[in-house]
Amino acid sequence: QSALTQPRSVSGSPGQSVTISCAGSSRDIGGFNFISWYQQHPDKTPKIIIFDVSRRPSGVPDRFSGSKSGNTASLTISGLKVEDEADYFCTAYAGNFNLVFGGGTKVTVL
Amino acid sequence: EVRLVESGGGLVQPGRSLRLSCVASGFNFDDFVMHWVRQVPGKGLEWLSVIRGDSGFTGYSDSVKGRFTVSRDNAENSLFLQMNSLRVEDSAIYYCVKDGQSGWYLDSWGQGTLVTVSS
Repeated sequence: QSALTQPRSVSGSPGQSVTISCAGSSRDIGGFNFISWYQQHPDKTPKIIIFDVSRRPSGVPDRFSGSKSGNTASLTISGLKVEDEADYFCTAYAGNFNLVFGGGTKVTVL
Repeated sequence: EVRLVESGGGLVQPGRSLRLSCVASGFNFDDFVMHWVRQVPGKGLEWLSVIRGDSGFTGYSDSVKGRFTVSRDNAENSLFLQMNSLRVEDSAIYYCVKDGQSGWYLDSWGQGTLVTVSS
């Protein structure tokens, strides 16, 4: 069970778009479409923002979008807002009743 | 409204045991897969274990397999994590998490309970 690989940090100015990658393998990201993304503000619990690669729970702005290509998933935040500054984590189903997390990416709004 | 309330955390010596509990409300508990996830404050998230609604399957991360056991009592809307042979590196906030409707995503989180393993 290897952790998924995310960049430690990304940044952008308000209104810009940023993309966070989540690299795995054929055993997890490449093998299933159970990929989800979570937003965590400081001292808060994580909140789901994307599931099943690209689906948004109700209440999540459509500025957040997810995709997958091969063994890499991506989260794009369009029209970046100050309140989007947070940590973002990806997860993927890795078979045999296992989930695996990415190491997390800190998004900074400049 | 989904509510998950963990308890049972605290300070424990290395090698000892601890049992975490989570009481769920606001949804049909026995219809949903449940997970345990932990996080060292200021660090990343680590998935630990999963249990199906009818306890028909369970899964564990390699880091806790053989030491931790997940269980549930659907009559009491409760989820448990029995943690044995605790190590200093098990110190973290432990979250009880509800799985989503279509499976394998974490759609509702408790507030967490802090476990500190130290001599």
